[in-house]
Amino acid sequence: QQQVKQSPQSLIVQKGGISIINCAYENTAFDYFPWYQQFPGKGPALLIAIRPDVSEKKEGRFTISFNKSAKQFSLHIMDSQPGDSATYFCAASNGGSGGYQKVTFGTGTKLQVIP
Amino acid sequence: DGGITQSPKYLFRKEGQNVTLSCEQNLNHDAMYWYRQDPGQGLRLIYYSQIVNDFQKGDIAEGYSVSREKKESFPLTVTSAQKNPTAFYLCASSEWTASGGYTFGSGTRLTVV
Repeated sequence: QQQVKQSPQSLIVQKGGISIINCAYENTAFDYFPWYQQFPGKGPALLIAIRPDVSEKKEGRFTISFNKSAKQFSLHIMDSQPGDSATYFCAASNGGSGGYQKVTFGTGTKLQVIP
Repeated sequence: DGGITQSPKYLFRKEGQNVTLSCEQNLNHDAMYWYRQDPGQGLRLIYYSQIVNDFQKGDIAEGYSVSREKKESFPLTVTSAQKNPTAFYLCASSEWTASGGYTFGSGTRLTVV
C-alpha cells in the first residue's frame, strides 16, 4: 500500500514537445506529492510539489496534474528542452499529525530531449 | 550558501573493509536521511534521524550503521556485512516534518573492488 508506481521508465521527446510522466499511488493517506529532477552524478532536486486539495499546479514550463479519485498524478513538461534531459522521480508522503513522514519514491523516468 | 555536502564523491573499497561516508548540512534542518540508489530501483531508505542522538532503521538498514552526534552531521558506515555495497549513496535533510520536501547532497559513488 506504500508503493508509488511510475511510468514510463524512459522517454524520448523532441525539442519543443510535451513530456508526460505518470505516477499512481495506493495509500489514500498520502498528502504531499513532490517531483524531483536528477542530473547524472548529482543528487535529486525538488522541482515542484502538490497537495491533494488542488488539481493542478504550474511553475513555468512544469505542471503537476492531480486526480484524487483515480489516485494518479502526472508531470507535464511543456516546450521540452535538451537541458531538461534528466531522471525524474515522483514521490508521496503523509504527514498525519506531524513528525516523521516516510517518503515513498517512484522508480524514476529517464527523459531525453533530442534537438 | 546553505546546502548538504557529501564526501568523498567517489570511494573504492576492498571486500571486507568498512568505509564511512560523510554528510554535513548547514541548513539547520532537524531531520537527515540516507538513501541508496541503484539503477531501475529508485531511492531506498537506509536510515533516518529526526533529532541528535536518535536514528531509526529504514527499509534496507542491514549492513549499515549511522550516528548523529551533531545536528549538522550524519555519517554512514558501510560495513563488511553489506553483501552488495556498490551503489550511489545520497544524503538528504529536511525540516522535521519534511513538508517542504528534501534537500539532497550530490552523492557518493561507492565501488567495491
